[in-house]
Amino acid sequence: EDQVTQSPEALRLQEGESSSLNCSYTVSGLRGLFWYRQDPGKGPEFLFTLYSAGEEKEKERLKATLTKKESFLHITAPKPEDSATYLCAVQGWNYGQNFVFGPGTRLSVLP
Amino acid sequence: EAGVVQSPRYKIIEKKQPVAFWCNPISGHNTLYWYRQNLGQGPELLIRYENEEAVDDSQLPKDRFSAERLKGVDSTLKIQPAELGDSAVYLCASSSGLRSSYEQYFGPGTRLTVT
Repeated sequence: EDQVTQSPEALRLQEGESSSLNCSYTVSGLRGLFWYRQDPGKGPEFLFTLYSAGEEKEKERLKATLTKKESFLHITAPKPEDSATYLCAVQGWNYGQNFVFGPGTRLSVLP
Repeated sequence: EAGVVQSPRYKIIEKKQPVAFWCNPISGHNTLYWYRQNLGQGPELLIRYENEEAVDDSQLPKDRFSAERLKGVDSTLKIQPAELGDSAVYLCASSSGLRSSYEQYFGPGTRLTVT
């Protein structure tokens, strides 16, 4: 059974203080790993897709990386507007197009 | 391009009452998903449609939940009767299903409160 865990559960950063969020996964054949951002009261917003170990994707202050067991979302010099819950999801070859989501990391960036 | 549309945004009902949620996916997206998200948790899949066919409903509590996707576009998720434990956010998502883009796009969700 595919599983996803995320750490830390919550993270508080000062504006400009860089850090990383972790997504550890167990899947029988990874089709894709997805990162989403979710603001309070809204649906998840797609950020990145990673398909194979060693792959990296960047968008503004965010960079996602992938290994065979985990993915990291690096946040460089965060701003208060980066505050949100960041969700990781995996899609395995055994379950069609179904995603398995992790519980998320709540990020707060203080000015 | 319009995103995934859901209505209503909020719904408060008493237990044992019925409730229905509506979703209009992104134009051209053949795959549609219904998820339930409890507070502090990630979304959990309830049902997946490929066009009008429900290809995975293994997580749908079929004694009280039902869904339909007529004509392979809009979809409705129904709960009858609702229980206190059904309070959650119900999310709809869609994807094109193409090899180049498996990512799912989500609507704003419907927050259901059962009293």
